[in-house]
Amino acid sequence: AQSVTQLGSHVSVSEGALVLLRCNYSSSVPPYLFWYVQYPNQGLQLLLKYTSAATLVKGINGFEAEFKKSETSFHLTKPSAHMSDAAEYFCAVSRIASFGNEKLTFGTGTRLTIIP
Amino acid sequence: NAGVTQTPKFRVLKTGQSMTLLCAQDMNHEYMYWYRQDPGMGLRLIHYSVGEGTTAKGEVPDGYNVSRLKKQNFLLGLESAAPSQTSVYFCASSPQRLAGGYNEQFFGPGTRLTVL
Repeated sequence: AQSVTQLGSHVSVSEGALVLLRCNYSSSVPPYLFWYVQYPNQGLQLLLKYTSAATLVKGINGFEAEFKKSETSFHLTKPSAHMSDAAEYFCAVSRIASFGNEKLTFGTGTRLTIIP
Repeated sequence: NAGVTQTPKFRVLKTGQSMTLLCAQDMNHEYMYWYRQDPGMGLRLIHYSVGEGTTAKGEVPDGYNVSRLKKQNFLLGLESAAPSQTSVYFCASSPQRLAGGYNEQFFGPGTRLTVL
């Protein structure tokens, strides 16, 4: 079975500081990994995805994540936090179901707060 | 292009009442999904569909039924609502997966359901 673990349900950083949100995965096969963002009262939006190409993945809004197989990690970073980054972030792992579609398993989420 | 829309946005039910949540997508996607989001638990898959007339159980299907009579619509039904079904429900859709590829899931804005 595949799973992801997000360390820290709440993270606070000052505006302009580094953002680091942690995600570790468990998978018996090479995983597809994702980060989604959820702004207040909205649905989820894809930030970035790892699909076995480059290990450093760049996403929208200046975010990036690095796939590290030796550490089974896929941490999300942004060099300088903006107030608009305040949201909940979900790490997810995908597997292919018997019908051929993708099934996502989500982590429990990390709420990011930006301190002015 | 509205993307994925959900009706209603909010609903309050009494225990034992029934209701149907409607999800519609205008992107001609083959796959559609229903998730529930609960605090500290991330998103969990309830049911999904890989095409018109085809549905399958997800991670937490008990107490829910679904139907996909038209490709663009995916209905989630609660026959006898229980307080444990108080949650935020998200619908998502994605195109048919090509071999070796991955397709992003596009999410609706959610339906907030309270069962008293």
